[in-house]
Amino acid sequence: HVQLQESGPGLVKPSETLSLTCTVSGDSITTYYWSWVRQSPGKGLEWIAFVYHTGNANYSPSLKTRATISVDTSKNQFSLRLSSVTAADTAVYYCARMGQGGSAYGTHDYWGQGTLVTVSS
Amino acid sequence: DIQLTQSPSFLSASVGDRVTITCRASQGISSSLAWYQQKPGKAPKLLIYAASTLQSGVPSRFSGRGSEREFTLTISSLQPEDFATYHCQQIHSYPITFGQGTRLEIK
Repeated sequence: HVQLQESGPGLVKPSETLSLTCTVSGDSITTYYWSWVRQSPGKGLEWIAFVYHTGNANYSPSLKTRATISVDTSKNQFSLRLSSVTAADTAVYYCARMGQGGSAYGTHDYWGQGTLVTVSS
Repeated sequence: DIQLTQSPSFLSASVGDRVTITCRASQGISSSLAWYQQKPGKAPKLLIYAASTLQSGVPSRFSGRGSEREFTLTISSLQPEDFATYHCQQIHSYPITFGQGTRLEIK
C-alpha cells in the first residue's frame, strides 16, 4: 500500500525559501516519477515539477527559476525548494506519484494528504 | 502551454442524475488526458486516464470519452459521495496542466 507524506514548515516569510519533503512508503522511489503539485486557496491545481530517481527533473516554466526538486533514494524521499517566496506562493502543496510508462504516463495515482504553506511575515 | 477549459465551472444536480463535464484543450492532445475527483480538504483522486481508462477501484458509473481537443467525464447516476470538484489534466506535453475545476453540488 503506497503512502506519501509531506513535511515541512507551515509558515514561511516573504523572500525566504520554502522547503518541503515527501516521504514515500510502500514503494521504492526508484520505480516511478515523483511530482509536486500545489493548490492556492479556492483555486485549481498547479503542477510544479517532477523528478526521477536519477535526478532528472522537469519544471513548470512559471516556477523554473525558483524551484528545485531533488530525490534521496537512501531515505525514499524527494524534496522541493522554492526560493524568494511571496504571498502568491501560499497554497496547499501535494506530493504525488506519477506514472512513467504506457497509457498511465504522467497521471498522478497516489497523493499525499497535502500540507498548507502560508507565506506571511 | 496547453490550456484546459472545463465547463461548466459549477454544476448543481440531484442524486440519480446523469451529468457530463467537458474539458477542452487549446490544441490537440491525442488521448493524453486524466480526470480527478477532489473532496474538500482532501487530495485529488485519479478516476480516469488515457481519456477513457477507468482507474482500478473506480465505480463503473464514471466514464470518459474524447480525443484531441474535446473530452467528457460522465457520471451515469449520481451518488451522494460523488458531490465534489472534478479536474482534468493533460500529459501530452510539458508543462503538465490542469483545468480550472468543475464543482458539482447537490441541488
